[in-house]
Amino acid sequence: GAVVSQHPSWVICKSGTSVKIECRSLDFQATTMFWYRQFPKQSLMLMATSNEGSKATYEQGVEKDKFLINHASLTLSTLTVTSAHPEDSSFYICSASSFMKSARGSTDTQYFGPGTRLTVL
Amino acid sequence: SQQGEEDPQALSIQEGENATMNCSYKTSINNLQWYRQNSGRGLVHLILIRSNEREKHSGRLRVTLDTSKKSSSLLITASRAADTASYFCFSGGYNKLIFGAGTRLAVHP
Repeated sequence: GAVVSQHPSWVICKSGTSVKIECRSLDFQATTMFWYRQFPKQSLMLMATSNEGSKATYEQGVEKDKFLINHASLTLSTLTVTSAHPEDSSFYICSASSFMKSARGSTDTQYFGPGTRLTVL
Repeated sequence: SQQGEEDPQALSIQEGENATMNCSYKTSINNLQWYRQNSGRGLVHLILIRSNEREKHSGRLRVTLDTSKKSSSLLITASRAADTASYFCFSGGYNKLIFGAGTRLAVHP
């Protein structure tokens, strides 16, 4: 199956610093990548959708200046948490999707990265 | 608003028993997908069922889809302790995916 990697797996940083998280699709080209965050024992919350070469679409309530997303290529998207604060501590998960058509119909299975745990002190 | 809503929210069973989880959604779908997540880790894709399919099997997993009721069920047969995880459903289509709260399954040896 398709593989999506995230780097780093975990990061601890001081309040006020910026943190960049990378999401890579290793063996396929992702037309769309998604960024989620998840608080303990809660569901994933979609933060933004990014398409290669265009600006990301942010969900309501997500600050685009706080969470910068760059989808530079069909295999790489980055999420930068700027001026991180303790309330930004969370589990960040990306997913990559490649819309595919076949004789059986179309599918757009999302493949998820392993997640990045961010702790802001 | 949430697209996929699973029930029950939590399920505790013994090894060897079957586990059934249900999912309801609100709008038309292209396909419905089930994922599992081990505690604090990423999601693993389990199975995808298209809107024109009614049932699908994969190993010990059986998924049904009822588009008239906008619901799906995931059955795990002969459960194992390693099946302990959270299970999420969500609809697939040409747009974003919205997760429900998931069902937390605990399988006890």
